[in-house]
Formats: sequence, structure tokens, C-alpha cells
Amino acid sequence: EAGVVQSPRYKIIEKKQPVAFWCNPISGHNTLYWYLQNLGQGPELLIRYENEEAVDDSQLPKDRFSAERLKGVDSTLKIQPAELGDSAVYLCASSPGAAGGVNEQFFGPGTRLTVL
Amino acid sequence: KQEVTQIPAALSVPEGENLVLNCSFTDSAIYNLQWFRQDPGKGLTSLLLIQSSQREQTSGRLNASLDKSSGRSTLYIAASQPGDSATYLCAVANDYKLSFGAGTTVTVRA
Repeated sequence: EAGVVQSPRYKIIEKKQPVAFWCNPISGHNTLYWYLQNLGQGPELLIRYENEEAVDDSQLPKDRFSAERLKGVDSTLKIQPAELGDSAVYLCASSPGAAGGVNEQFFGPGTRLTVL
Repeated sequence: KQEVTQIPAALSVPEGENLVLNCSFTDSAIYNLQWFRQDPGKGLTSLLLIQSSQREQTSGRLNASLDKSSGRSTLYIAASQPGDSATYLCAVANDYKLSFGAGTTVTVRA
């Protein structure tokens, strides 16, 4: 069974440019998460989707970050414009869903963003 | 807000020694606790998940305990190997949100 797929794996951009990250969760997983991980720290949740609905986006900086999961499967996270402080690893995770309680989360390899 | 602390931040041991990694959290009203492994430049690999009603979970050389009332979990890795070198992260679930510690970076010397 394929795991969580993310692309690109690495991205280098200049500040003020836009950037987008893509995630395809494990087949059948209804819940999708985007996390941000700064160097030497644990991941922090940006947004959680249940199917196509963003049910928790309280930590997403909405002035420059946006996300979508139009058909309830794959998802895109966008930053526009990027700032130097956005340099980090962006992780996508998925879990089977809300039914039956809180599930184990499975993570993708992440996208390492460098903003110059 | 849930605060998760992992001590020590780094650990270096000779091959064959047992590893003990500690995790503490401030809010005991958790759904579950997960231990992850992260290799440099890679994503997170789930090692063990302990439900709030459980006291421990075991997988091979790994054993994780949970004391919810005191807000602590411990990951034991028996007979460490150089391949166990990685960063180990603890994460607690309140509702559907995972709160992570900063991790313990383990080096196993051959």
C-alpha cells in the first residue's frame, strides 16, 4: 500500500514569490493534515481536513497561506507571497477518519522549503 | 494549551545498551499518544500508538509506557543498534490535534 505522497521534496524560491505544495494521502483516509516543522522542533498543525471540509484552520496564517482539498482526496497548500521566515519543512499526514475515534496519523516525507 | 517536553534533547550510547526516552505533557485529557521516528531530511515514521486507556504497547525491541495521571510516557529500546540512530518524537492527541515534543536525537555508536 502506498504511503502519503508529497511533492516537490525540495523547493528553493526568492522571497515574495508564490509556492505550492501537493499531498496525496493514503487511499481511503478521510482526514488530511498539513503541518509545519521548523529546524529542531516538532511539527505544528496548520490545517486539518475531514473529507473536503477544513474543520480546523485556526493555526493557518490566512493572510498569506491557503489550502484546498476540492474532491476530498489530494490537497494543495499555497504560500503567497513567501517570506524568509517560511523556510521550514511542510509535512502532510493522513488518518482513516473521525469515525471510531482519534486515529493514528501517517506522515509523508515532507517538502523542504528554502526562501532566499 | 498542551505542552509536550522531551528530555534529554540528545543521547549518545554504545551499541547494545538499552535506550530510555522520556516524554511529559501538561494536559492529561488525551485521546492517545504516539511515538515517531524521524531520520535526517525525512518524514515521520509511526513507531507505537498508545490509546488513553492503555498502559503500554510493545513492538519488537520497542516498548512504550503511558502514565496519563502523571502526564508521562517512556519509550524503551532494547539492545540498541547503529540503525536506531535518529530523532524520536512524542506526540499527544487532544481531540484530533497532535501536539509534539521537540524530540530526542539518539546516536548509537558502533
